[in-house]
Amino acid sequence: AQSVTQLDSHVSVSEGTPVLLRCNYSSSYSPSLFWYVQHPNKGLQLLLKYTSAATLVKGINGFEAEFKKSETSFHLTKPSAHMSDAAEYFCVVSDKSNDYKLSFGAGTTVTVRA
Amino acid sequence: GAGVSQSPSNKVTEKGKDVELRCDPISGHTALYWYRQSLGQGLEFLIYFQGNSAPDKSGLPSDRFSAERTGGSVSTLTIQRTQQEDSAVYLCASSRLAIYHGELFFGEGSRLTVL
Repeated sequence: AQSVTQLDSHVSVSEGTPVLLRCNYSSSYSPSLFWYVQHPNKGLQLLLKYTSAATLVKGINGFEAEFKKSETSFHLTKPSAHMSDAAEYFCVVSDKSNDYKLSFGAGTTVTVRA
Repeated sequence: GAGVSQSPSNKVTEKGKDVELRCDPISGHTALYWYRQSLGQGLEFLIYFQGNSAPDKSGLPSDRFSAERTGGSVSTLTIQRTQQEDSAVYLCASSRLAIYHGELFFGEGSRLTVL
């Protein structure tokens, strides 16, 4: 079975400072991992994905994530937060043990202070 | 259309009424998912359609919930005899590839409020 744990339900940062959103996963097989972002009253949008290629993955809007198999982690980072980064972020895992269905984390709400 | 389209965007109904939520996926996407997002919670899988295969209905919470996908395109999620606990945002997503390799494209959701 697969599962995802997002370690922080809320993260608050000042504009221009780094953002770190933590995600740990559990998977019986080589997983695919994703980060999605959801702005208020909008659908989810893919930020980036890992599918067994390079372990450091770059996404849109300056975000990146590093797949660390030894730590079963897939943390999301951005060097400098922007006001527009205020949103909810979901870490997601998929693997063949569950017929490729996605398992979503509970989400991390990011607020950005001016 | 360019993206996944869902309707209605908002629906307020009375307890005990039936509701239908519609999803129009991106053209050519063979996989279609329905998820439910309740306040302060993550996404709960409801049902998955892939091409002409039998749908995976394992996430439907009760027999009041059903979904169909006509012609491999538009999907309708039906909730019969709605209850207050059905209040949530219902999200539809589609994908061109097996999700293991691809990404899901989400609609903006249908917000259901049961009074």
